[in-house]
Amino acid sequence: EVQLVESGGGLVQPGGSLRLSCAASGFTFSDHYMDWVRQAPGKGLEWVGRTKNKANSYTTEYAASVKGRFTVSRDDSKNSLYLQMNSLKTEDTAVYYCQVWFSGRVCWGQGTLVTVSS
Amino acid sequence: DIVMTQSPDSLAVSLGERATINCKSSQSVLYSSNIKNYLSWYQQKPGQPPKLLIYWASIRESGVPDRFSGSGSGTDFTLTISSLQAEDVAVYYCQQYYSTPYSFGQGTKLEIK
Repeated sequence: EVQLVESGGGLVQPGGSLRLSCAASGFTFSDHYMDWVRQAPGKGLEWVGRTKNKANSYTTEYAASVKGRFTVSRDDSKNSLYLQMNSLKTEDTAVYYCQVWFSGRVCWGQGTLVTVSS
Repeated sequence: DIVMTQSPDSLAVSLGERATINCKSSQSVLYSSNIKNYLSWYQQKPGQPPKLLIYWASIRESGVPDRFSGSGSGTDFTLTISSLQAEDVAVYYCQQYYSTPYSFGQGTKLEIK
């Protein structure tokens, strides 16, 4: 069974940094693209960014709203996905989900809440 | 970037009746080389992550009741619930995965009339 477990969320001040993690199990992590998606309280879903697999040179892509501030990375030896968030803004407050894609199908984690507030 | 627009924003349907949600993309999400539409539908209930219902526009995810169906191609898509059940109250989203940045519709809130 595919499992994705996010961690690392919490309260951070504007301008601060936070690193989220996503622990994966139940599939061959190194073979798959991994994404981050977020949802602000009471709002819709926003794709944040992705890391491709080794076969695709671990290429990363980002939404315009986070490019230059957020970094997606992975450690295939630990079956883990990361999201390094710098220069955080109040509008980054959201539940952050990690996702794994299986040729058109996608699985989601339960999410971790990040609150950016002074 | 591809913009996804859902209609309506909210919908109230009687139990046992049909519910229809539409999703329109600003450009085609049909990939010509494999004739697949890169479009998913999700159901989200309060406090839960989105649940995949439909992928490739019309393929029902394993375990999803057959009252849920997806149709459409190119830029226009529909999610249909053939006979609404109380447990179907939720917000429904479409998503294109044709090109990054992947994008979602704004959501449709489905309620019981």
